[in-house]
Amino acid sequence: QKEVEQNSGPLSVPEGAIASLNCTYSDRVSQSFFWYRQYSGKSPELIMSIYSNGDKEDGRFTAQLNKASQYVSLLIRDSQPSDSATYLCAVKLEGNNRLAFGKGNQVVVIP
Amino acid sequence: NAGVTQTPKFRILKIGQSMTLQCTQDMNHNYMYWYRQDPGMGLKLIYYSVGAGITDKGEVPNGYNVSRSTTEDFPLRLELAAPSQTSVYFCASRDNQGGTDTQYFGPGTRLTVL
Repeated sequence: QKEVEQNSGPLSVPEGAIASLNCTYSDRVSQSFFWYRQYSGKSPELIMSIYSNGDKEDGRFTAQLNKASQYVSLLIRDSQPSDSATYLCAVKLEGNNRLAFGKGNQVVVIP
Repeated sequence: NAGVTQTPKFRILKIGQSMTLQCTQDMNHNYMYWYRQDPGMGLKLIYYSVGAGITDKGEVPNGYNVSRSTTEDFPLRLELAAPSQTSVYFCASRDNQGGTDTQYFGPGTRLTVL
């Protein structure tokens, strides 16, 4: 089983709609979870971190964490063309000084 | 602060050549990482360091070496380049103070081995 899985293919959403991204992880003791955004040809940048079960909102972004089910999700409300990017889910492996990354989900916002 | 800087931005190597990818951070972070990213894939950890003089292997260390003589610098050495090492390489440093645990990435080095 992969440490972090993002299985959805490219996601196309109309401008103003909600984009929903999901991620599952295998390490049951992980406590720290992150979403990175990566524009084409650029480096990843952190947009959300979440450490407790439930929702965390930051502007148009909401991260949701369910440790019992081992999944973390990202919602992008009122999607804008500038949100078109690849979104990488990352999980900090406890007892380990590293992050495990999913392969990413591409989001395309259609004007 | 310049953050994390990497040189060069682009490089083409011939099979069997060697090179060093440079990475420097000015944020006084103890933790530094080297990743590679192949098209359509996530980030794979090559090596990491928890402080000057301390390095450890990641998921895909074969064909690479690192050193960490200072807090600021974490160079990645490729010996005997192979086509399988064609990738984009990202260096990152981690802020583990104040509970944020944020990783900051450099702009990347795009390497092609022919």
